[in-house]
Amino acid sequence: EDQVTQSPEALRLQEGESSSLNCSYTVSGLRGLFWYRQDPGKGPEFLFTLYSAGEEKEKERLKATLTKKESFLHITAPKPEDSATYLCAVNSGSARQLTFGSGTQLTVLP
Amino acid sequence: EAQVTQNPRYLITVTGKKLTVTCSQNMNHEYMSWYRQDPGLGLRQIYYSMNVEVTDKGDVPEGYKVSRKEKRNFPLILESPSPNQTSLYFCASSLEGVSEAFFGQGTRLTVV
Repeated sequence: EDQVTQSPEALRLQEGESSSLNCSYTVSGLRGLFWYRQDPGKGPEFLFTLYSAGEEKEKERLKATLTKKESFLHITAPKPEDSATYLCAVNSGSARQLTFGSGTQLTVLP
Repeated sequence: EAQVTQNPRYLITVTGKKLTVTCSQNMNHEYMSWYRQDPGLGLRQIYYSMNVEVTDKGDVPEGYKVSRKEKRNFPLILESPSPNQTSLYFCASSLEGVSEAFFGQGTRLTVV
């Protein structure tokens, strides 16, 4: 059974204070690891897909990296508009699609 | 505009009264899923569908039914809702099982 654990559960940063979110996973054959952003009252919004260890993806202030056991979402010089819950999910190749972690609620203070 | 549309967005109902939450996607995706989201438990898959007339159980299927008679639609049916089904529900679709999923805006269901 696929398992995904995200840490920390909540993170408060000052604007401009860089940090990283962690996603640890256990799967029997990773086909893809996904990062999503979720704003309050809205559906998750796709950010990145990572397929193999060593892969990195970047989008604006966000950078996602992948190892064989975990993924990190690095946030560089965050702004208040980056405040959201960030979700990690894995797919092990079955048609069941995604297994999600519980998310990290990020708050960036001005 | 590519989108997944759920209706209704908010619903309050009473225990035992059958209800249906609709989901429609305009991206010609084969894969569709239903998730529920509860505090501290994250998103959990209820049912998924790989194509028309092909559906299967996810992690928490008890008390739910689905059907996939058309490629674009994937309704979620609660035949006898109970208070423990109070939750935030999301429909999602993707081109393939391993590609990124697109989510609807969610349906907040309260069963009293």
